[in-house]
Amino acid sequence: AQSVTQLGSHVSVSEGALVLLRCNYSSSVPPYLFWYVQYPNQGLQLLLKYTTGATLVKGINGFEAEFKKSETSFHLTKPSAHMSDAAEYFCAVSRNDYKLSFGAGTTVTVRA
Amino acid sequence: ETGVTQSPTHLIKTRGQQVTLRCSSQSGHNTVSWYQQALGQGPQFIFQYYREEENGRGNFPPRFSGLQFPNYSSELNVNALELDDSALYLCASSLASNRDNSPLHFGNGTRLTVT
Repeated sequence: AQSVTQLGSHVSVSEGALVLLRCNYSSSVPPYLFWYVQYPNQGLQLLLKYTTGATLVKGINGFEAEFKKSETSFHLTKPSAHMSDAAEYFCAVSRNDYKLSFGAGTTVTVRA
Repeated sequence: ETGVTQSPTHLIKTRGQQVTLRCSSQSGHNTVSWYQQALGQGPQFIFQYYREEENGRGNFPPRFSGLQFPNYSSELNVNALELDDSALYLCASSLASNRDNSPLHFGNGTRLTVT
C-alpha cells in the first residue's frame, strides 16, 4: 500500500518569502510522486511529477521538488512566494499515472 | 484543445436517491478516472475506465458504478445515496499507451450535496 503524509495543514508565508511544503511517502515499490495545486472551486492542476532519473524536479510557476529516497520525502519549494500562489496543495504517490493516493492537503496563504 | 468538462457543477439530492455525473475527456485522451474529494480532504480514487471497461477500482462499494462511451466520455453513477456521499467528484482524463501514460488532467468537479 502507498500513502503520503503532508506535514502542516496550513502554511502562511509573506510575499517574496520561501515556500516549503513537506511531504513524506510510504511505498513498497519505487513510486511515482506528484504535486498538484487546487484553486478555489477548481479541479487539480499538476505542478510537477517524479518518476525516475534526476531527483530534483522542476515544475510550473517556479516550483520544484526533490526526491530523497533515504528520507522518503518529496518536499515542494518555491524561492519567492507570490500572491497568486495562495491555494491548496496536494502531494500524491502512485505506482502508475492514474491511481493516485493523495495526502490531506496543505493550504497556503500569502501575506502582503 | 478542449479540457475536461464535468456536468452538472452542483447537485442536491436526497438520501436514498440515485445520481449520474458526467464527464467529457480532454481531446485526444482515452482514459477517464474518477475521484471523490470530501470537504477538507484529499481526493480518493474511485475507478478508472479504459477502452470502455473498468481498469482499476479503489475502496468504494458497488453502488458506485461507471461507464465509458466510444467517444471516451464517462458517467459516474451512485445508487442509494448516503449523507457521506456529499463531496466534490472529480473526473480526470489521460492518454494511455504501451510506452507511458500522460499525466491526469482534471475537470473542475461536480459538487454533490446529499440531504
